[in-house]
Amino acid sequence: GAVVSQHPSWVICKSGTSVKIECRSLDFQATTMFWYRQFPKQSLMLMATSNEGSKATYEQGVEKDKFLINHASLTLSTLTVTSAHPEDSSFYICSAKRTEKLLSGNQPQHFGDGTRLSIL
Amino acid sequence: KQEVTQIPAALSVPEGENLVLNCSFTDSAIYNLQWFRQDPGKGLTSLLLIQSSQREQTSGRLNASLDKSSGRSTLYIAASQPGDSATYLCAVKETSGSRLTFGEGTQLTVNP
Repeated sequence: GAVVSQHPSWVICKSGTSVKIECRSLDFQATTMFWYRQFPKQSLMLMATSNEGSKATYEQGVEKDKFLINHASLTLSTLTVTSAHPEDSSFYICSAKRTEKLLSGNQPQHFGDGTRLSIL
Repeated sequence: KQEVTQIPAALSVPEGENLVLNCSFTDSAIYNLQWFRQDPGKGLTSLLLIQSSQREQTSGRLNASLDKSSGRSTLYIAASQPGDSATYLCAVKETSGSRLTFGEGTQLTVNP
């Protein structure tokens, strides 16, 4: 169980295009999802925390208007990179934490397979 | 600000060897620590999660230890196999929330 699906896995597009990435929890509900960015041979950097039904919480230095996050249901969060430019090229990974009221906050995050974004 | 460091950055060993990956963190007030595996171009697979009150966790050939007071964790891999080749990341969850802070990983290559 605890499968997170991320789509698309790879996208190449022209500069100026907006790109939407989907993150779905397939077999569990996730009130909270996380979006990370990873540059080659570097670690994951948290971009924002996505909360179902409310506004996302962005990390310092991450542009809210550039990286639009929508978490409209308990199983889906989307990240839209607006007017993407070559410097936005990166590996984007989402994760989701199972929401079960009776459980403690020790639930692990389950990660998607990532989306490789290449902006030409 | 929590900082996580992993040593070594890369490691190459012959098949069958036992090995240890190291992770250190600057703020000992952690909620838990997690070890992940990442294959090239893929997401993360959780290997072991150690609660702050625990000292170690084991899963098959993997054993992770946690010394919270000294800010260290180790991942021990016994009898390494070529299929173990991947990048191993450790991440700490801070007490105050759900944030995970990641190290930069150790790239492991196990040679047949």
